[in-house]
Amino acid sequence: EVQLVESGGELVQPGGSLRLSCAASGFTFSAYWMHWVRQAPGKGLVWVSRINNDGSSITYADSVKGRFTNSRDNAKKTLFLQMTSLRAEDTAVYYCARDVGGWYGMDVWGQGTTVTVSS
Amino acid sequence: SYELTQPPSVSVSPGQTASITCSGDKLGDAYPCWYQQRPGQSPVLVIYQGSQRPSGIPERFSGSKSGNTATLTISGTQAMDEADYYCQAWDSSTEVFGTGTKVTVL
Repeated sequence: EVQLVESGGELVQPGGSLRLSCAASGFTFSAYWMHWVRQAPGKGLVWVSRINNDGSSITYADSVKGRFTNSRDNAKKTLFLQMTSLRAEDTAVYYCARDVGGWYGMDVWGQGTTVTVSS
Repeated sequence: SYELTQPPSVSVSPGQTASITCSGDKLGDAYPCWYQQRPGQSPVLVIYQGSQRPSGIPERFSGSKSGNTATLTISGTQAMDEADYYCQAWDSSTEVFGTGTKVTVL
C-alpha cells in the first residue's frame, strides 16, 4: 500500500524549533518530488516547500524562507522539515504529499501532524 | 506573486450541478489540479492536468479552463461530495493553492 505517515508535531513555545518527519512506504520514494503543505485551524491549504527527487532543488514559501529547512533521506525513505524560530502563525496541521511531476498533481497525502506554537 | 481566487461557498441541491471557479493572472499557461477535502480528512486529488481524473474518482467530477479561469464541475452532486475544494498551480519558483470553496449539498 502506498502510504505517507507524518510525525513530530507537538506543542512548542514561540521561538522554538521542531523537526517533522514523513515516512514513505509502498513506492519508490527516490523517484518523486515531495511537498510540505500546512493548514491552520479553520483555514485553507497553504504550500510550504517542495524538494526534488534527489534533494538538489528545494523551494520555500516566502513565509517560511530562512526559518524552515526541507530535506530527505532516500535510503531511509523519509522526508524532513526542520522548523526554527517558530511563530504563533506557524500553528497548523502539516501534511507531506507526493508529487507525480508536471501537472499530474499531489496524488498521495499523509494524515498530517499538528504543530502548535504557544506559550 | 501567484494568487488563485475561488468563491468562498457554493450551494447545490442533490442531483444538480455544482461549478467552482478558480481565477488567476497566470492560469493562462497552467493546467491546474483540484483537491477535495472532507471535514477532518486529508486532501484528495480529484483532477490533474486541468481536466483528467485519477483512477477511482467518479466521472461526475470534471475540469476545464478558459483563459485565466479554471472550473471544477460536479454533475449529479451527491451528499458525499459536500467538502472543501481547492485548485492548485505552480511555476518554477512556487506552488499555490486557491482560497478554497466550501460546497454544501442542501
